[in-house]
Amino acid sequence: GESVGLHLPTLSVQEGDNSIINCAYSNSASDYFIWYKQESGKGPQFIIDIRSNMDKRQGQRVTALLNKTVKHLSLQIAATQPGDSAVYFCAGAGTGRRALTFGSGTRLQVQP
Amino acid sequence: DGGITQSPKYLFRKEGQNVTLSCEQNLNHDAMYWYRQDPGQGLRLIYYSQIVNDFQKGDIAEGYSVSREKKESFPLTVTSAQKNPTAFYLCASVPGGPMSTGELFFGEGSRLTVL
Repeated sequence: GESVGLHLPTLSVQEGDNSIINCAYSNSASDYFIWYKQESGKGPQFIIDIRSNMDKRQGQRVTALLNKTVKHLSLQIAATQPGDSAVYFCAGAGTGRRALTFGSGTRLQVQP
Repeated sequence: DGGITQSPKYLFRKEGQNVTLSCEQNLNHDAMYWYRQDPGQGLRLIYYSQIVNDFQKGDIAEGYSVSREKKESFPLTVTSAQKNPTAFYLCASVPGGPMSTGELFFGEGSRLTVL
């Protein structure tokens, strides 16, 4: 089955710095990945997705990177702001499984 | 406005009681999902439904039941057989056809506490 995990439970950055949140997955058949942001007491919100035929996907201030060779995902946030403080999850899905598997999350703390 | 509505937002129940969490969506999405979230952990899949009158077990279905009689509604019942039901429950839906695994739209969650 699919296993998706995150490398660090907590990441602390200074306001204005770039943030990099990492994630690994186990199933080489996984072909679709999503990054979600979850604020306290709320449901997760979509940030960006990336498919296995892509290495990189650019959003407004976020970039998703996918390295299929080592089964590794990254979410880069440029010029991190206090409003970016939240828990970030990666989630993946593969052929034959029509539901996302979520990692355990990284809490991003932005220091003023 | 379109979206997913979960109710109640907070729920307390005594041990041995069944409780049903409501999830309604007006997004015209075919597929709906229930996830459970425990403190400091990711989301774990309980049940999902790709189409009306059909649903599949997720990774932690024991002690839970669902129904999908209408496209808009996917209620989750937490039964007395669920050994550790205190958690944050999230309902989600996805656009596209029955086999879609696109972006999940989440509700605001229901926090269940068993006393």
